[in-house]
Amino acid sequence: EVQLVESGGGLVQPGGSLRLSCVASGFTVSSNYMSWVRQAPGKGLEWVSVIYADGSTYYADSVKGRFTISRDYFKNTLYLQMNSLRAEDTAVYYCARDPYFGSRLDVWGQGTTVTVSS
Amino acid sequence: QSVLTQPPSASGTPGQRVIISCSGSSSNIGSNPVSWYQQLPGTAPELLIYSNNQRPSGVPDRFSGSKSGTSASLAISGLQSEDETNYYCAAWDDSLNGYVFGPGTRVTVL
Repeated sequence: EVQLVESGGGLVQPGGSLRLSCVASGFTVSSNYMSWVRQAPGKGLEWVSVIYADGSTYYADSVKGRFTISRDYFKNTLYLQMNSLRAEDTAVYYCARDPYFGSRLDVWGQGTTVTVSS
Repeated sequence: QSVLTQPPSASGTPGQRVIISCSGSSSNIGSNPVSWYQQLPGTAPELLIYSNNQRPSGVPDRFSGSKSGTSASLAISGLQSEDETNYYCAAWDDSLNGYVFGPGTRVTVL
């Protein structure tokens, strides 16, 4: 079964750091384009970052310089390192698979909640 | 503020047809395929339509999509009570090197 399972969310103070993980089963993370998408409470979906199959990475302007996307081939896991967190980063974070570059996000994880508050 | 534009709400009675519009620009909808997502309360989004008008297996044929120029639309025919939820359009944006989403449309079954 093709599946994504996120973990690593939690409560963190402004300026703090968190690392989110997204474990894949049924397919290979490194062979796909993988994105992180977030949803603030009561708001819509916001794309955060992507890692291409060739390893290239891109970020939304709102997180550029603070977040880093990466992957581990052997663990078949996607990561999102989040530094210098702000209150506006509070959201449910989803990882998602893009099987054909820029075509669609066809598999989503269940989401992990990040709360930035003092 | 979302890059893509959608109406905040749409409604219809059971059995009716509802259409949700999605407007973008040449860097996103105008040059890349559009996808649509359905999000039930408290759950992750699910792919509903991809490549403008294709349905993943398991999605009822009541749902259909189309695209023309820099706009796209999602049609729900034979509206059912279980269709009452939020719908998002999305497309890759060549200028931003990332996906852009619409703000979402809440469909209400009257």
